[in-house]
Amino acid sequence: EPEVTQTPSHQVTQMGQEVILRCVPISNHLYFYWYRQILGQKVEFLVSFYNNEISEKSEIFDDQFSVERPDGSNFTLKIRSTKLEDSAMYFCASDVAGGRNEQFFGPGTRLTVL
Amino acid sequence: GENVEQHPSTLSVQEGDSAVIKCTYSDSASNYFPWYKQELGKGPQLIIDIRSNVGEKKDQRIAVTLNKTAKHFSLHITETQPEDSAVYFCAAAPYNTDKLIFGTGTRLQVFP
Repeated sequence: EPEVTQTPSHQVTQMGQEVILRCVPISNHLYFYWYRQILGQKVEFLVSFYNNEISEKSEIFDDQFSVERPDGSNFTLKIRSTKLEDSAMYFCASDVAGGRNEQFFGPGTRLTVL
Repeated sequence: GENVEQHPSTLSVQEGDSAVIKCTYSDSASNYFPWYKQELGKGPQLIIDIRSNVGEKKDQRIAVTLNKTAKHFSLHITETQPEDSAVYFCAAAPYNTDKLIFGTGTRLQVFP
């Protein structure tokens, strides 16, 4: 069964450093998402991406965040200058047609900012 | 803004009993309501979903009901098994958007 994959599974970084979280969505999917989950809290939407551009972003997704689809398979989330409060589990998701369809989630990347 | 509330935060049941988790949403135009199961160390996995044009949907031991007037929806798990133990999240898709708004999660423990 196809699945969303994410690397690395755990990333530790120093405050102020840049990190790139990587995702490989399911191959025939066209809509891509990043969500985050601070420990013990709800899953929060960060950004959606379709047709090589951001379609929607939340208040959390400020100028420190960016997303990119550098090739036909990868989807990345970059945080330019990490802060302590960026520590969270980051989930990538994809779906085939957007809107009211199943979003498939990856296993997540745990980001720890020291 | 859009919000989804979920109750209870924890739920303990005996194997074989039923479990019910309830959610309410704020955006009356929301029309898609998925339920996700998250096991330890894994990403959320869809277990069932319902759209606003139906009131109930069932898949084996799992059922979801939707009351559009009251803006709430519920997950029902019958004949619970220890492997049902996980965190369950409800979510709602607001109108004209692709994002999901998640509830705060329910930790379900099924004791043998």
